[in-house]
Amino acid sequence: SQQGEEDPQALSIQEGENATMNCSYKTSINNLQWYRQNSGRGLVHLILIRSNEREKHSGRLRVTLDTSKKSSSLLITASRAADTASYFCATDGSGNTGKLIFGQGTTLQVKP
Amino acid sequence: GAVVSQHPSRVICKSGTSVKIECRSLDFQATTMFWYRQFPKKSLMLMATSNEGSKATYEQGVEKDKFLINHASLTLSTLTVTSAHPEDSSFYICSAFNVGGGRPNEQFFGPGTRLTVL
Repeated sequence: SQQGEEDPQALSIQEGENATMNCSYKTSINNLQWYRQNSGRGLVHLILIRSNEREKHSGRLRVTLDTSKKSSSLLITASRAADTASYFCATDGSGNTGKLIFGQGTTLQVKP
Repeated sequence: GAVVSQHPSRVICKSGTSVKIECRSLDFQATTMFWYRQFPKKSLMLMATSNEGSKATYEQGVEKDKFLINHASLTLSTLTVTSAHPEDSSFYICSAFNVGGGRPNEQFFGPGTRLTVL
């Protein structure tokens, strides 16, 4: 079952602006990951944050994790038209099964 | 980085036929692969865990006799949609763990297979 909820479901911004997407989950986790998916394509792994980490950066991406609130956010700074895609968070649950439970996703449109 | 391929990328078939989708890890070994399906504008739903050399583990609500999974080697898992119906039309995506990789929690996803059942 899908446990992640993301908001907003859709986001439209101008190039150069920042985009923030939020994800909430329900169970304990070992880590949380963010993925990107271009329309009709496979997933690209963006960043993984472990349950004992609070913030992580990768290029223009900044991810935060608040395990007390069971929530995470993905910030894309200085957005580009090429960032237009759907973004999903995924959690692995407390076991070490490797299974990922995906959030509903945020569709981001960056207008040039 | 680790590469996962899927074949075919797109398939159209008639109702009642069976369709096989392959998932291959090209440059690494994967003892575990996962199969997901995704409906348009929706998220990925885990269907089953494919383990090399053993039976697949299916998620609740997924018919194991309809979605046959075989993981015969460390680089190949197949998903066969048997007696396909139009409601089976979906985007099927596989993922694989990179056994022995530097980032063991990272899964690598295939590009997906678009199945359309007429």
